[in-house]
Amino acid sequence: DTAVSQTPKYLVTQMGNDKSIKCEQNLGHDTMYWYKQDSKKFLKIMFSYNNKELIINETVPNRFSPKSPDKAHLNLHINSLELGDSAVYFCASSRRGTGNTGELFFGEGSRLTVL
Amino acid sequence: AQSVTQPDIHITVSEGASLELRCNYSYGATPYLFWYVQSPGQGLQLLLKYFSGDTLVQGIKGFEAEFKRSQSSFNLRKPSVHWSDAAEYFCAVGGADSWGKFQFGAGTQVVVTP
Repeated sequence: DTAVSQTPKYLVTQMGNDKSIKCEQNLGHDTMYWYKQDSKKFLKIMFSYNNKELIINETVPNRFSPKSPDKAHLNLHINSLELGDSAVYFCASSRRGTGNTGELFFGEGSRLTVL
Repeated sequence: AQSVTQPDIHITVSEGASLELRCNYSYGATPYLFWYVQSPGQGLQLLLKYFSGDTLVQGIKGFEAEFKRSQSSFNLRKPSVHWSDAAEYFCAVGGADSWGKFQFGAGTQVVVTP
């Protein structure tokens, strides 16, 4: 059983299109994240949800909209895709609270290529 | 503001030799420190973490790291590398109040030669 799973693993699309990436975790964690890894491998947080509540919303274009239907799922929808959106998007999860250090468990990534 | 510096972008090491990857951090409170490994086309896997207690921490795959508060460092070591250790390694810093908003270093790519 994969702990954090994302689909699709690869996305190739044209500029201007809309696309979604889905993420599910079966670890019982209460917090989920989207991180973006650019072509230089730099990782930067985009969003975080705790118990379905948005708690981190970094400076990300509003073309990106996360949605968390429940604690185990976090989706990312991207409107009007641009060339600069090409990257690997990682979903991650963690458990917060006393006694937890909140380390992140990552999915395998979704590589988005915008042509 | 929190930050992480990994001074070495690329390291080449012979199989069986020792490996040390450097990580320096800046964090205003008590840091939680992590090392992750990313194999090609894969996600990030946690190697080890430090949040309190013994400053020498053991991780998976034979890795260890030492937290040195005075030097703001958290260097990763392995006594004898295997070809399967070829990967990208990321150091990250967070804290109790960071809500998983970790700051990652730029990564160090490790190449293992026969």
